[in-house]
Amino acid sequence: NAGVTQTPKFQVLKTGQSMTLQCAQDMNHEYMSWYRQDPGMGLRLIHYSVGAGITDQGEVPNGYNVSRSTTEDFPLRLLSAAPSQTSVYFCASSYGLNEQFFGPGTRLTVL
Amino acid sequence: GENVEQHPSTLSVQEGDSAVIKCTYSDSASNYFPWYKQELGKGPQLIIDIRSNVGEKKDQRIAVTLNKTAKHFSLHITETQPEDSAVYFCAATSNFGNEKLTFGTGTRLTIIP
Repeated sequence: NAGVTQTPKFQVLKTGQSMTLQCAQDMNHEYMSWYRQDPGMGLRLIHYSVGAGITDQGEVPNGYNVSRSTTEDFPLRLLSAAPSQTSVYFCASSYGLNEQFFGPGTRLTVL
Repeated sequence: GENVEQHPSTLSVQEGDSAVIKCTYSDSASNYFPWYKQELGKGPQLIIDIRSNVGEKKDQRIAVTLNKTAKHFSLHITETQPEDSAVYFCAATSNFGNEKLTFGTGTRLTIIP
């Protein structure tokens, strides 16, 4: 099993550009989440999904969209990138209220 | 919503000594408390977790204690080793069956050889 994979690993955007961060898992987990990690602020939940076709907002959802058309994939879309979205983004998956498996992260810089 | 506070933000410990990291939470309905370790350049990885029906849990050199009355839980690492150097995060959830974890702000643990 590859676990949770994320692409790209690094990305530089200009203000106003859009992009999609990819996340995939091969563990048949029903729960998937996106977090952003900023210095001194820990991990903050952006959006999460409890199954295909079901998504909900987390703590910091503004400026981001998600969809869950399959169990395996949970892409995160930045609609119009802003410097405040410079961060490290982590995708995670789990089966029920158990261990969350995190991907390796995407480091995003918005100029 | 849930609020999790974590202390200290940095901790330096001599190799072989013990390290303790403490967290408090605000939502009395929280019932699942995991601890994650994050090494440089990697995603967080679960090291131990505890549920609200248990007061203490051990796994070799790592232990977690939970005080539901006071709404705090702690991570204890004994006989620390250089590979324990990392950032540690506590978390709590108040939505059973819904992975809506709230994380603490992290503790950077440095083991001094």
